[in-house]
Amino acid sequence: KQEVTQIPAALSVPEGENLVLNCSFTDSAIYNLQWFRQDPGKGLTSLLLIQSSQREQTSGRLNASLDKSSGRSTLYIAASQPGDSATYLCAVASGSRLTFGEGTQLTVNP
Amino acid sequence: DTGVSQDPRHKITKRGQNVTFRCDPISEHNRLYWYRQTLGQGPEFLTYFQNEAQLEKSRLLSDRFSAERPKGSFSTLEIQRTEQGDSAMYLCASSFQQNTGELFFGEGSRLTVL
Repeated sequence: KQEVTQIPAALSVPEGENLVLNCSFTDSAIYNLQWFRQDPGKGLTSLLLIQSSQREQTSGRLNASLDKSSGRSTLYIAASQPGDSATYLCAVASGSRLTFGEGTQLTVNP
Repeated sequence: DTGVSQDPRHKITKRGQNVTFRCDPISEHNRLYWYRQTLGQGPEFLTYFQNEAQLEKSRLLSDRFSAERPKGSFSTLEIQRTEQGDSAMYLCASSFQQNTGELFFGEGSRLTVL
């Protein structure tokens, strides 16, 4: 059974800092890995998707990496802003379903 | 707006009542998924459809839960005889099978069972 762990559970940083969120998974037989953002009481917004054959993906200030062999992914956020405050969820695709971690709750202080 | 839409956004009901949620996926997407999320947890897979066929169901989907996608377009998720433990956010997502497999989620339907 696939298990996904995200560290840290919560993170508070001052505006402008670069930060890294971590995701690990137990079964390396994945199809892809997706990072989402979730604001309180809202649905999930897709940030980045990395196919199993890829090593990283970039979108604006976000960069996600994937090391399938070690079962790890990181989400790098450059020059953080208060608007980045949200919960960030990592999800791995094994077959037809996504398995999610519990998320990292990020607070960026002005 | 061509995103995934869910209705209602919020539902408060008394224990024992039946509730139904609707999901309209992105129009060209042939896969539709239902997930459940409780406070402080990541979403958990419930079921998914490819076109109108329900291809997989989680053990979380007890016999009080039923999902349909009759014409391969919108889907409904019905919960019969609701229990307080059913209180959660019910999330719908869609994807296009032949694409990257990226899932797009709706805003969710929050259920509160009193």
